[in-house]
Amino acid sequence: EVQLVESGGSLVKPGGSLRLSCAASTFTFSTYTMSWVRQAPGKGLEWVSSITSTSSDIYYADSARGRFTISRDNAKNSLYLQMNSLRAEDTAIYYCARYSSSFWGFDPWGQGTLVTVSS
Amino acid sequence: DIQMTQSPSSLYMSVGDRVTITCRASQNIDSYLNWYQQKPGRAPKLLIYAAASLQSGVPSRFSGSGSGSDFTLTISSLQPEDFATYYCQQSYRTPFTFGQGTKLEIK
Repeated sequence: EVQLVESGGSLVKPGGSLRLSCAASTFTFSTYTMSWVRQAPGKGLEWVSSITSTSSDIYYADSARGRFTISRDNAKNSLYLQMNSLRAEDTAIYYCARYSSSFWGFDPWGQGTLVTVSS
Repeated sequence: DIQMTQSPSSLYMSVGDRVTITCRASQNIDSYLNWYQQKPGRAPKLLIYAAASLQSGVPSRFSGSGSGSDFTLTISSLQPEDFATYYCQQSYRTPFTFGQGTKLEIK
């Protein structure tokens, strides 16, 4: 079974930084586009960023551009999200998700990691 | 950005009911439309991709239709495990955007 496991979420002060990780297993990680999607408490889903299989193309939501950096290490089957200059409105569960160009959807998703930005 | 609007925002239904949720895109997105189900405390799960294709393992009571800018998700006969929140999402272009969600609750 395809598995995605996020880690790195925690409580951080406004203006602080955090690095999220997503460990992938049971599929050929290096051939898939990967993404981060977040969900603020009690709110809907918001796409954050995507990175293609070879890191040749990277995309960001406006809310993330300039503050967040997505990256991957195909040798380690891992996806990352470096988040700087964090704001209260970045408080959310951050999900790692595989994006399939075969059916243009996010599947599967990890269980999520909670980021709380508060003083 | 492409705006995705779902209706209704919430639905109160009974087991066995037929349910239809609609999703409208602010512009043409061809068939680049997906539907997800999310249960409380769980990650979203892909149900329907490319507007009308059932993801592997998803029960056949779920179906999707539409193209262009108007789409529907139908559950033919609600089961207890179907009470959840449903989201549409466009993959036509970045930024990928989601609808605001439709919460399906037990009447």
